[in-house]
Amino acid sequence: DAKTTQPTSMDCAEGRAANLPCNHSTISGNEYVYWYRQIHSQGPQYIIHGLKNNETNEMASLIITEDRKSSTLILPHATLRDTAVYYCIVIPSGATNKLIFGTGTLLAVQP
Amino acid sequence: EAGVVQSPRYKIIEKKQPVAFWCNPISGHNTLYWYLQNLGQGPELLIRYENEEAVDDSQLPKDRFSAERLKGVDSTLKIQPAELGDSAVYLCASSLGSSGGGEQFFGPGTRLTVL
Repeated sequence: DAKTTQPTSMDCAEGRAANLPCNHSTISGNEYVYWYRQIHSQGPQYIIHGLKNNETNEMASLIITEDRKSSTLILPHATLRDTAVYYCIVIPSGATNKLIFGTGTLLAVQP
Repeated sequence: EAGVVQSPRYKIIEKKQPVAFWCNPISGHNTLYWYLQNLGQGPELLIRYENEEAVDDSQLPKDRFSAERLKGVDSTLKIQPAELGDSAVYLCASSLGSSGGGEQFFGPGTRLTVL
């Protein structure tokens, strides 16, 4: 399974866009990129996923580079409630129920 | 729609005592997962059920941990006897199964403290 590399922590000003990077240089062609987040004292929450194309939903946008070796999760207008640990996870298409979490990025949204 | 329900939310026990955690998944979700989360780490899968069958329990320490999912709905995870190192958050999640992809729905977890 492809491993991911994320910064340990990031800060973002409230109301600004938060851009969270993830490196997955060993990703293979049939592996998806999933993002989850975990707010303090809660269970992880699914955000978005993609394979090759950029994706957008009501929570965030996912930008995947053309070579698929990295991706960026974008929260367009961060709020204090977006403070959480964000996990980038790569999952083979044949095992999309097998999540392997790393340590993620702690995003602190500052007022 | 109710989410994944777990109880208790917090549990404090002395070492060598038994403990059990209960999970009720989202209605209609065939797949149920138990995860362990140590402080500062991401969740780690302990066991995955497809309906009532445990299809992946390779990470479950079977000498002291056991789990069951009778009737393929709610599930119980047990530790007997508990050790100091078992202090962690135990998360339950559910999904629609293989057709649901990688979107899993997590409960709030049970925080276990072993003294």
